[in-house]
Amino acid sequence: AQSVAQPEDQVNVAEGNPLTVKCTYSVSGNPYLFWYVQYPNRGLQFLLKYITGDNLVKGSYGFEAEFNKSQTSFHLKKPSALVSDSALYFCAVSLPGSSNTGKLIFGQGTTLQVKP
Amino acid sequence: GAVVSQHPSRVICKSGTSVKIECRSLDFQATTMFWYRQFPKQSLMLMATSNEGSKATYEQGVEKDKFLINHASLTLSTLTVTSAHPEDSSFYICSARVRHRLEAFFGQGTRLTVV
Repeated sequence: AQSVAQPEDQVNVAEGNPLTVKCTYSVSGNPYLFWYVQYPNRGLQFLLKYITGDNLVKGSYGFEAEFNKSQTSFHLKKPSALVSDSALYFCAVSLPGSSNTGKLIFGQGTTLQVKP
Repeated sequence: GAVVSQHPSRVICKSGTSVKIECRSLDFQATTMFWYRQFPKQSLMLMATSNEGSKATYEQGVEKDKFLINHASLTLSTLTVTSAHPEDSSFYICSARVRHRLEAFFGQGTRLTVV
């Protein structure tokens, strides 16, 4: 079965320190990979995506993610965390094929807590 | 661009009544929209794919007669929860596919509480 795993329910980091939110996937073929952020009682905001090419992708708000095909991982990173980055982060994949565009399989989410 | 608006943001209804949730693409045409359900502190589960002008495609285990989806125009999809029960209480989120873009864009979500 196709799945996405975010092994950490919560990540705690001090403001100014680097952060990493982990994501691994088990999907056949070459999926598209995404990160979204959700603030309380709000929809999801798109952060970044990996489709092809350079393994390090840069996105919104200073976030970046590194695609590792051999480890089937797509970890989200930021060099210096802000308190305002505190939110719920979702990793997601979209299966290849035009009929699957926009149809996402989500990980369980990781709560990021950045403390001042 | 690519703004998706969902309405209402919150709704409380009595058991046995029906509730309609709207999902609109404000600045683009969306031939395909998606409806997700999210339980507290859990992930989003795809309920169905809404296709303009045709029947929705439901995921396994989702009751199509309970969760009615209508996609009558290129900018509007609606989800109607029929004969709602307390166990239907959840956060419902829609998203839309944008032509030439691979990421989906999400509405703000609707918190449904059935009492």
